Amino acid sequence: SQKIEQNSEALNIQEGKTATLTCNYTNYSPAYLQWYRQDPGRGPVFLLLIRENEKEKRKERLKVTFDTTLKQSLFHITASQPADSATYLCALPVSSNTGKLIFGQGTTLQVKP
Amino acid sequence: DAGVIQSPRHEVTEMGQEVTLRCKPISGHNSLFWYRQTMMRGLELLIYFNNNVPIDDSGMPEDRFSAKMPNASFSTLKIQPSEPRDSAVYFCASSPQGGGNTIYFGEGSWLTVV
Repeated sequence: SQKIEQNSEALNIQEGKTATLTCNYTNYSPAYLQWYRQDPGRGPVFLLLIRENEKEKRKERLKVTFDTTLKQSLFHITASQPADSATYLCALPVSSNTGKLIFGQGTTLQVKP
Repeated sequence: DAGVIQSPRHEVTEMGQEVTLRCKPISGHNSLFWYRQTMMRGLELLIYFNNNVPIDDSGMPEDRFSAKMPNASFSTLKIQPSEPRDSAVYFCASSPQGGGNTIYFGEGSWLTVV
């Protein structure tokens, strides 16, 4: 079955730096991959979707890459701010003809002023 | 739009009691998902519905768990009888269609079984 690995250790960085989070998956390559943000006590919120034929996608200070050869997605936040502190989850569809998403454990980012 | 609405937000119950969690998806969304989140296991998909029909319930942990979607605007997740290991945050989410689209989560129902 498909498995997702995200770094379980918290990532601590200084304000203004670029944060890079990693999402690795096993087995088949998904048609797309999504990134979500989760704040304490809240539900996950969608950030970005990248499809298998897209190498890179950007949204404001966010950038996502998708390498189907390495089976890896990288999530970058440039010019990070303390308000970016949260847990970031990647998610993949279980198969191409279903909306069933599985999520990684998430990586907690802490941006220090 | 009001977003996905879940109730109750918090529930503390005694072992053996029945628990019913409720969800109102976003109007017009035809896929609905129930997830459970714990520190140990992360976010797990329990069941999902498409057009009110259960499509995949392989994530439902055992027969004590059941879910229904009697109409497009309401779903329930029931645990009977509840056990301490069921303590978790239960999220309901909805999506405009079956695949490739954003999933919108509710704020969760925090369940503690003592």
